[in-house]
Amino acid sequence: GAVVSQHPSRVICKSGTSVKIECRSLDFQATTMFWYRQFPKKSLMLMATSNEGSKATYEQGVEKDKFLINHASLTLSTLTVTSAHPEDSSFYICSARDFLEREGTDTQYFGPGTRLTVL
Amino acid sequence: AQKVTQAQTEISVVEKEDVTLDCVYETRDTTYYLFWYKQPPSGELVFLIRRNSFDEQNEISGRYSWNFQKSTSSFNFTITASQVVDSAVYFCALSEARAAGNKLTFGGGTRVLVKP
Repeated sequence: GAVVSQHPSRVICKSGTSVKIECRSLDFQATTMFWYRQFPKKSLMLMATSNEGSKATYEQGVEKDKFLINHASLTLSTLTVTSAHPEDSSFYICSARDFLEREGTDTQYFGPGTRLTVL
Repeated sequence: AQKVTQAQTEISVVEKEDVTLDCVYETRDTTYYLFWYKQPPSGELVFLIRRNSFDEQNEISGRYSWNFQKSTSSFNFTITASQVVDSAVYFCALSEARAAGNKLTFGGGTRVLVKP
């Protein structure tokens, strides 16, 4: 299947700094990518839908100024956690949608996740 | 609104026992897709199965089997003859907007611990 990468896999930062997480689709183009967040021992919650060339669509309760999403190309979406605080510590997982209308296939591939720890 | 419920938060079994994970979902869509994912301690989600709402056939893949019952809105997952490597968190999920590749609503997950 298709491959989605995330970088970094793990990051530790100080409170107040900003952290950028990259999500790349390695062998397909993704007009849509999704960002999920997972607290320890909890489920995955969708944060936002990232659309190439346009603004991201945020889920209710997610601060768009806090979690900046940029989908500048068909293979890259970035999530920037601005002015991070300890409560932002979490596991962030992205996914990329591989939609091939001509072939009638529509599949979401997940990245390996990024573990963010804010001290 | 879509909702996925996994009532069992944790199941502990001894190796070689069978274990069944329950999943109940709610959706207003007549066409939808259901998924099961495995999340080992490493954190990466491992895709197990995708089923569309029109296909109610049960499926078996090795030691894994799935029972889809549209009448009760359930999509249960059974691991036969469990092994220690099956220890992980398992998530049931539902795609939105009638599209298989669209955003997912996840259940709360069931942690499976298989003891030797």
